[in-house]
Amino acid sequence: DADVTQTPRNRITKTGKRIMLECSQTKGHDRMYWYRQDPGLGLRLIYYSFDVKDINKGEISDGYSVSRQAQAKFSLSLESAIPNQTALYFCATSDLSGASTDTQYFGPGTRLTVL
Amino acid sequence: GQSLEQPSEVTAVEGAIVQINCTYQTSGFYGLSWYQQHDGGAPTFLSYNALDGLEETGRFSSFLSRSDSYGYLLLQELQMKDSASYFCAVLSTGRRALTFGSGTRLQVQP
Repeated sequence: DADVTQTPRNRITKTGKRIMLECSQTKGHDRMYWYRQDPGLGLRLIYYSFDVKDINKGEISDGYSVSRQAQAKFSLSLESAIPNQTALYFCATSDLSGASTDTQYFGPGTRLTVL
Repeated sequence: GQSLEQPSEVTAVEGAIVQINCTYQTSGFYGLSWYQQHDGGAPTFLSYNALDGLEETGRFSSFLSRSDSYGYLLLQELQMKDSASYFCAVLSTGRRALTFGSGTRLQVQP
């Protein structure tokens, strides 16, 4: 089984709909992240969490919210989806013991299309 | 803030050597990491340089020069399966999460 899983893998929705993307991990890592990937723009950080009570905004958090339900679960919500949120979304985890490298382990991604 | 610059595309032939450069601007950081991403796949960790110099892992090597704010990933004996996007990333001392470059798409041709 994969260490970091994301559901759904693909989603097509309409403008104004509320969408939740879910991420689960079995690696036992404390740190979890949500990234967005657009062609030519690399990976941009949306939100990150270092434990259940430590949630932080990344560089592009507007229009998004998150919930860390447990150490193993971190969900990303789009309260009212808009077309420019069409992108590939990745969840990632990292281990505090590798603090200087912050080596990230990525899920398979969720391709979201907002019509 | 932090910023990292990489070439958008590099093309090379099978068996050759290719170097992917990364220049960065940050006030202070722990080290430079590299990630590989195949089309349709997730990024995977390749290497990390905490200190200046060359780190070698099989066919891949990574280099860091803090004085020049510069690093590179060197891929030797290129194989078709090396066709992918490569991202450099830094963990700044003032920021609690990685910042990624925009990525370099490597095309290996026969």
